[in-house]
Amino acid sequence: NAGVMQNPRHLVRRRGQEARLRCSPMKGHSHVYWYRQLPEEGLKFMVYLQKENIIDESGMPKERFSAEFPKEGPSILRIQQVVRGDSAAYFCASSPRLASDTQYFGPGTRLTVL
Amino acid sequence: EDKVVQSPLSLVVHEGDTVTLNCSYEVTNFRSLLWYKQEKKAPTFLFMLTSSGIEKKSGRLSSILDKKELFSILNITATQTGDSAVYLCAVEAQGGSEKLVFGKGTKLTVNP
Repeated sequence: NAGVMQNPRHLVRRRGQEARLRCSPMKGHSHVYWYRQLPEEGLKFMVYLQKENIIDESGMPKERFSAEFPKEGPSILRIQQVVRGDSAAYFCASSPRLASDTQYFGPGTRLTVL
Repeated sequence: EDKVVQSPLSLVVHEGDTVTLNCSYEVTNFRSLLWYKQEKKAPTFLFMLTSSGIEKKSGRLSSILDKKELFSILNITATQTGDSAVYLCAVEAQGGSEKLVFGKGTKLTVNP
């Protein structure tokens, strides 16, 4: 049973380009969470999605960031017109259902903006 | 605003030592507290604690929660170099979106 998969593992973008980060949850998991980790900081919640629904995006910047979890395929975190401050590790986690279920994390995507 | 504070921020010990990592929290409608170990990759799940006073153990690691004083500790006995990692504490609130609020972590270095 494969764990949470994220790709790419490393992504380099120049300022102004778009970054697309992908997350495939564990088999049987229908809840996906995205977190961002800045250097020397803890993980910060960004967005929580179920299939075809954004449940909570309170941690996501209002501009340039968007997320989706389509009926088929991975969840995607999209950052438009990246800036240097977007450089961070982006982790995806999944859980099988609501309430009291552990979130299992993927290996993360390390985004570097030049 | 929900908050998690971990201490110490970093710790250096020798193999064989016992360490205690601390996590205090403030959260509305507490549901659970989780510990993760993060090496240079995905945070890996260690424990989920929901009830006060019940110790959870896994090998040399153990953890306990005090819901009255709003803290948890993670103990590691007979430390090994492979225990070197950042240990993350997170809390989850009820009635929300199941998101986790993380502390900044404790960086543990175990020297041979």
